[in-house]
Amino acid sequence: QSVLTQPPSASGTPGQRVTISCSGSHSNIGSNTVDWYQQRPGTAPKLLIFSNDQRPSGVPDRFSGSKSGASASLAISGLQSEDEADYYCATWDDSLPGVEFGGGTKVTVL
Amino acid sequence: QVQLQESGPGLLKPSQTLSLTCTVSGGSITSGTYYWSWVRQPAGKGLEWIGRIYKTGSTNYNPSLKSRVSMSVETSKNQFSLRLDSVTAADTAVYYCARVVFHNDFQGYNHYFDFWGQGTLVTVSS
Repeated sequence: QSVLTQPPSASGTPGQRVTISCSGSHSNIGSNTVDWYQQRPGTAPKLLIFSNDQRPSGVPDRFSGSKSGASASLAISGLQSEDEADYYCATWDDSLPGVEFGGGTKVTVL
Repeated sequence: QVQLQESGPGLLKPSQTLSLTCTVSGGSITSGTYYWSWVRQPAGKGLEWIGRIYKTGSTNYNPSLKSRVSMSVETSKNQFSLRLDSVTAADTAVYYCARVVFHNDFQGYNHYFDFWGQGTLVTVSS
């Protein structure tokens, strides 16, 4: 059971917008920034969003992140077949102290 | 471009010690203010943070593993290592090493893994 709660799955048709939520608490998301990772089958996770809403160089602007209070969201607009992957949120948790990952959300492109 | 590569035994017996090394290339492990971390993932499951180490040797570990885990850094070889004692089948997973960016600002702690190794599968079986 992860401290950060994500829906296990999400889906959409090509071109649609998909949003993934990540719910935490005051000691983690409520106090620190959130990052998001994309993991395609058989590969290592890839940094998608850091510091709540920042994209590393090379990440398409179709991906966007936001945070409000103790919750965060990842939005994928203009969904493409290559976006089919698992997505994880993560943040620093002051109560551990250490890193907490969400349980992951599998995105399917219909 | 920084690259990380995990290495170590892929098969262990219960009660043995897991030892993995991560070799960093394309940059010095002592440059900047980066931490270096280990993350694992059991087959079909999510990511679990194991811990992190700074170039000075300062460490933070996941409380759930703290009694069995230790990390070290070998700056002369541009490597850092993971040791996990008394392994069981529950420790079977793909183990990733990663570089960590960590700083504090008005938004709180910013902690993220910007570069990852490809991962190495460790199986614990009798």
